[in-house]
Amino acid sequence: GAVVSQHPSRVICKSGTSVKIECRSLDFQATTMFWYRQFPKQSLMLMATSNEGSKATYEQGVEKDKFLINHASLTLSTLTVTSAHPEDSSFYICSASHSGGLQETQYFGPGTRLLVL
Amino acid sequence: AQSVTQPDIHITVSEGASLELRCNYSYGATPYLFWYVQSPGQGLQLLLKYFSGDTLVQGIKGFEAEFKRSQSSFNLRKPSVHWSDAAEYFCAVGAAAGNKLTFGGGTRVLVKP
Repeated sequence: GAVVSQHPSRVICKSGTSVKIECRSLDFQATTMFWYRQFPKQSLMLMATSNEGSKATYEQGVEKDKFLINHASLTLSTLTVTSAHPEDSSFYICSASHSGGLQETQYFGPGTRLLVL
Repeated sequence: AQSVTQPDIHITVSEGASLELRCNYSYGATPYLFWYVQSPGQGLQLLLKYFSGDTLVQGIKGFEAEFKRSQSSFNLRKPSVHWSDAAEYFCAVGAAAGNKLTFGGGTRVLVKP
């Protein structure tokens, strides 16, 4: 099946610094990628929808200036957490949509655990 | 607005026993429904999905789910659980397979020896 990777898998940073997380579709082209956040023992919450070559669409309550999303190619989307604070510590998961045959399918990356000290 | 409810936060089941996880959804149109499993610290693995057709869907790892439109439910079942089935299970709904998904709160399954 299709594979989506994320890098890094874990990152620890100091408060006030910026962190970039990459999401790659390894063997297919993804016109749309999604970014989710998952707090400990909670469900996944959609942060934004990333479309190749256009601006991301953010969900209500998600600060677009804090969570910068870039989808510059059909295989790569990046999420940059700017001026990170401890409350941004979370598990960030991306997914990519793949159109194959008659059905479109969404594949999830393994996630990136962010810890802000 | 679409929503997904998983009424059971935790379920403990003995190895070899049957398992049923409940999922109720609210959606204005014909939903695309999914069940995912997440092991600790890991990403999501798709167990099965329903778009249309036969309302009983077979998935991987011996799981199946039944779509009941009248009850707005999409419950997940497994006849005999294995210790490796201990994980968090999420039900999700979307407008299409490749669209953004709304997840339920998850059900954590513990398997007793």
